[in-house]
Amino acid sequence: HVQLVQSGAEVKKPGASVRVSCKTSGYTFSDYYMLWVRQSPGQGLEWVGWINPRSGDTNYAQKFQGRVTMTRDTSSRTGYMEVRRLTSDDTAVYYCSRGAHWYTGTSSDYWGQGTLVSVSS
Amino acid sequence: QSVLTQPPSVSGAPGQRVTISCTGSISNIGAGYDVHWYQQLPGTAPKLLIYGNSNRPSGVPDRFSGSKSGTSASLAITGLQAEDEADYYCQSYDSTLSGVFGGGTKLTVL
Repeated sequence: HVQLVQSGAEVKKPGASVRVSCKTSGYTFSDYYMLWVRQSPGQGLEWVGWINPRSGDTNYAQKFQGRVTMTRDTSSRTGYMEVRRLTSDDTAVYYCSRGAHWYTGTSSDYWGQGTLVSVSS
Repeated sequence: QSVLTQPPSVSGAPGQRVTISCTGSISNIGAGYDVHWYQQLPGTAPKLLIYGNSNRPSGVPDRFSGSKSGTSASLAITGLQAEDEADYYCQSYDSTLSGVFGGGTKLTVL
């Protein structure tokens, strides 16, 4: 069955970087986009971006451009998201998800369990 | 402030019907991008409820339905049950192909 398993919680200081991994199983990795969403404590969902697993092409929300990088390793069926220059506003649960259909307006049908990233001095 | 606008909260008694609206603009929903809906229970990842405006994934009860018209979309829940109490989010895309979310709606079953 389809699974997305994310790396564990992280505690970082302001200005640092964090990399979250999302290891997949149960489906052909290259046949589905990987999408990333975050949720700050007590807040709603916020779009971060997506990566095309075949080409490596990415699309980031404007507010994250220049500070977020998404990559993938097709051999290990794993996606990665790095966020740089962290501030307290980046404290959130970060989710990876699988794009349900092969087009850039797709929904997310399977989700990782979420990774809490806490930024504090 | 979210790109898509949802009511912060809705409520209904068991068995009743409720709707949740999602209002966008000509830059997102009105540009023809699909609308998707998610249900999120406390402390859990979102769950896909409706995709492509009105389609239900396998396993989602037919009590849930979605529609889209112009720059808006709606989620309807009929035969309200206690287990439906959750946060609901709409999602679409904009012309930059970035996703956009609504601010979320908290459904309370009275």
